[in-house]
Amino acid sequence: SQKIEQNSEALNIQEGKTATLTCNYTNYSPAYLQWYRQDPGRGPVFLLLIRENEKEKRKERLKVTFDTTLKQSLFHITASQPADSATYLCALGRDDYKLSFGAGTTVTVRA
Amino acid sequence: GAVVSQHPSRVICKSGTSVKIECRSLDFQATTMFWYRQFPKKSLMLMATSNEGSKATYEQGVEKDKFLINHASLTLSTLTVTSAHPEDSSFYICSAEQGSTEAFFGQGTRLTVV
Repeated sequence: SQKIEQNSEALNIQEGKTATLTCNYTNYSPAYLQWYRQDPGRGPVFLLLIRENEKEKRKERLKVTFDTTLKQSLFHITASQPADSATYLCALGRDDYKLSFGAGTTVTVRA
Repeated sequence: GAVVSQHPSRVICKSGTSVKIECRSLDFQATTMFWYRQFPKKSLMLMATSNEGSKATYEQGVEKDKFLINHASLTLSTLTVTSAHPEDSSFYICSAEQGSTEAFFGQGTRLTVV
């Protein structure tokens, strides 16, 4: 069965540093991969999408890479700020719009 | 971006009663809505896919008689947890799509069954 793993449950970093999160998957061939931010007690908020034929996407201080050979995506938050503290979820999808989520990594940025 | 409103945000009910959760797309028409369940520190688990005007498609292991889904219009889907029990306590989240791969999520509903 398919498996999606976000390798760290929690990540603590100093303000200004780059946070790097990992999403690995097995037994799945996604058409695209997405990253979401989820704050406590709230629904996820879409951040970035990267398709299977794309290597890298950027949006402001966020960068996502996608390696379909390694079956891995890396999510970077550069120049991190305390306001970036949240849980970040990766999600894999195909053309039926169904998403399969990882368990998330909780990032805490210390001032 | 598109807005999805979910109501109520929190509900406490007695064991054996039923609870209805609403999911509305406020500024777009959603032909497809999805219902997820999330346990603490766990991933969102897809429960069912709700299509306007047709029966919902449930994921394996999800009891369709327990979790009734109705998608009567292009802007409203409802999830009813019937005869709720404490093990049904969870965070329920809906999402809606408007023909793109970006999903728009509701705020979630924290259900506590006592």
